[in-house]
Amino acid sequence: EDQVTQSPEALRLQEGESSSLNCSYTVSGLRGLFWYRQDPGKGPEFLFTLYSAGEEKEKERLKATLTKKESFLHITAPKPEDSATYLCAVQVYNFNKFYFGSGTKLNVKP
Amino acid sequence: DTEVTQTPKHLVMGMTNKKSLKCEQHMGHRAMYWYKQKAKKPPELMFVYSYEKLSINESVPSRFSPECPNSSLLNLHLHALQPEDSALYLCASSQGTPGDVGGALYEQYFGPGTRLTVT
Repeated sequence: EDQVTQSPEALRLQEGESSSLNCSYTVSGLRGLFWYRQDPGKGPEFLFTLYSAGEEKEKERLKATLTKKESFLHITAPKPEDSATYLCAVQVYNFNKFYFGSGTKLNVKP
Repeated sequence: DTEVTQTPKHLVMGMTNKKSLKCEQHMGHRAMYWYKQKAKKPPELMFVYSYEKLSINESVPSRFSPECPNSSLLNLHLHALQPEDSALYLCASSQGTPGDVGGALYEQYFGPGTRLTVT
């Protein structure tokens, strides 16, 4: 059965304290992996698409990486405005839908 | 521009009411989606429209009825809902779908959502 698991469920960081979020997946034929950011009561905001193992994407303080079993979202020197829930989603071959992970709620304290 | 708009932002309805949620995108995307999201949970797929035709219905109860009048618009008609249907309803769109020729990968862009409360 296709499965996407994110850890930790919640993460509290001090401003400037770098860390990583994990998204591990067990799917039959990964087509691609996506990272989203979601603020409370709002729709998810697209961050990155990763297509194949070894790929990396960067945007400001965020860097996403992909291996054959998992993806990491590295946050370097986070700021309070980075506080949000980060969702990963995978798409498998031949199915037009995302399998979402349950998300990691990030709280960055000033 | 990667904007998906949804109206209304908030909706309160009784269990006997009929209401509709609306979604619009002007990015030329050919696939549109409805998701339901409960508090502290990830979005759950409800329906997928591909080239204005319903391609996926995730066993959603018939009290939810989707409609795609044209490639830019997506509606969700609501009737005889239950209190447990209260949630954030999200619309999304993507340039294409995995079933397209070439099988390209398309990210989905989400709207801000409609917060639905059923009383």
